[in-house]
Amino acid sequence: DVKVTQSSRYLVKRTGEKVFLECVQDMDHENMFWYRQDPGLGLRLIYFSYDVKMKEKGDIPEGYSVSREKKERFSLILESASTNQTSMYLCASGGGDSGNTIYFGEGSWLTVV
Amino acid sequence: AQSVAQPEDQVNVAEGNPLTVKCTYSVSGNPYLFWYVQYPNRGLQFLLKYITGDNLVKGSYGFEAEFNKSQTSFHLKKPSALVSDSALYFCAVREGYSSASKIIFGSGTRLSIRP
Repeated sequence: DVKVTQSSRYLVKRTGEKVFLECVQDMDHENMFWYRQDPGLGLRLIYFSYDVKMKEKGDIPEGYSVSREKKERFSLILESASTNQTSMYLCASGGGDSGNTIYFGEGSWLTVV
Repeated sequence: AQSVAQPEDQVNVAEGNPLTVKCTYSVSGNPYLFWYVQYPNRGLQFLLKYITGDNLVKGSYGFEAEFNKSQTSFHLKKPSALVSDSALYFCAVREGYSSASKIIFGSGTRLSIRP
């Protein structure tokens, strides 16, 4: 089974803090994605990566950056957290044997106070 | 630009009845279509996909979906609903075969099955 692991399920951070959300996949997938999910807005793509050290902006990259130093790990960084970044963050991966299907982690609930 | 629409925010069905969750899409090329399910406080789980071939696709938990090219639809169906099917369902479309190509999600439909 594909396993995408988001190490932090629930986080509470203060405005202005730097926040790291980590995601690890164990299927040797080339492609990894970060989405945020908000009620009524569905899933919106923040960034994706199709290879190590490669990244592409999604639909809502403002206020976020990413890092992919190793194939299995894709990190989302909030340089200075703001209250409007309170959301559910979902990591996904795909490629290799999964073809064009992407698989999701369990999600990280971030609250910025 | 590609897009996907789920016209119903909520669908309510009695247990044992058939269910349908609607999805329509727009792409300029060949569509690759997906359904995912999300249970409370969990990530999205892959249910099924249409790439090519038979218009009726079977997936996990007894779900199936019918691809209709002329109506640009990909409705999710199940012959007999279970209370445990209650969850949030997302339709998604990808333009292009590669998993690196952009995948767009609908806004989701909440399915509620009453005993």
